[in-house]
Amino acid sequence: QKEVEQDPGPLSVPEGAIVSLNCTYSNSAFQYFMWYRQYSRKGPELLMYTYSSGNKEDGRSTAQVDKSSKYISLFIRDSQPSDSATYLCAGVTGGGNKLTFGTGTQLKVEL
Amino acid sequence: DADVTQTPRNRITKTGKRIMLECSQTKGHDRMYWYRQDPGLGLRLIYYSFDVKDINKGEISDGYSVSRQAQAKFSLSLESAIPNQTALYFCATSKPGTAEAFFGQGTRLTVV
Repeated sequence: QKEVEQDPGPLSVPEGAIVSLNCTYSNSAFQYFMWYRQYSRKGPELLMYTYSSGNKEDGRSTAQVDKSSKYISLFIRDSQPSDSATYLCAGVTGGGNKLTFGTGTQLKVEL
Repeated sequence: DADVTQTPRNRITKTGKRIMLECSQTKGHDRMYWYRQDPGLGLRLIYYSFDVKDINKGEISDGYSVSRQAQAKFSLSLESAIPNQTALYFCATSKPGTAEAFFGQGTRLTVV
């Protein structure tokens, strides 16, 4: 079993929709949870991260972590075609900086 | 200029050849990483280095070696390339005490 599981998609939504991206994880030692966005032929770029449980909001995006169910979510409101990319979730243990990634979900926002 | 620069961006090589992928950074971070990305498998850690004198194996280090020439430079070598090492390779950096990693643009390696 992979430590971080993520549905690969693709997920297609109309412009303006609310997007929900999700991951589950199995490593109870994860303390930080990250969301990266990766455009085609580019390196991943950090969108946001949360420490432990709870929510974090940044612009149109909200990240949620539920440690009791080992569930990570990223919500994107008012989705735009420029949001079309692959979204990668990752967990990090408190003792180091090694990221363990999910496989990524491909998102397409259509006009 | 990119903060994390990888060279080359694309490379085709033959089975059995030795190849080196290079990474340099201007972020001043101590920690550097090499990942490979494969469809359906995501990003997997090959090697990481927390400072110049510290090198550690990741989850898939077999067939690879690394060298940390300076704080800003971290290279990945394939001593004898094989076709299943065909992948997208990424270098990343971070600073101690934070969880944020910054990635280069990637090197697309094809072994024929």
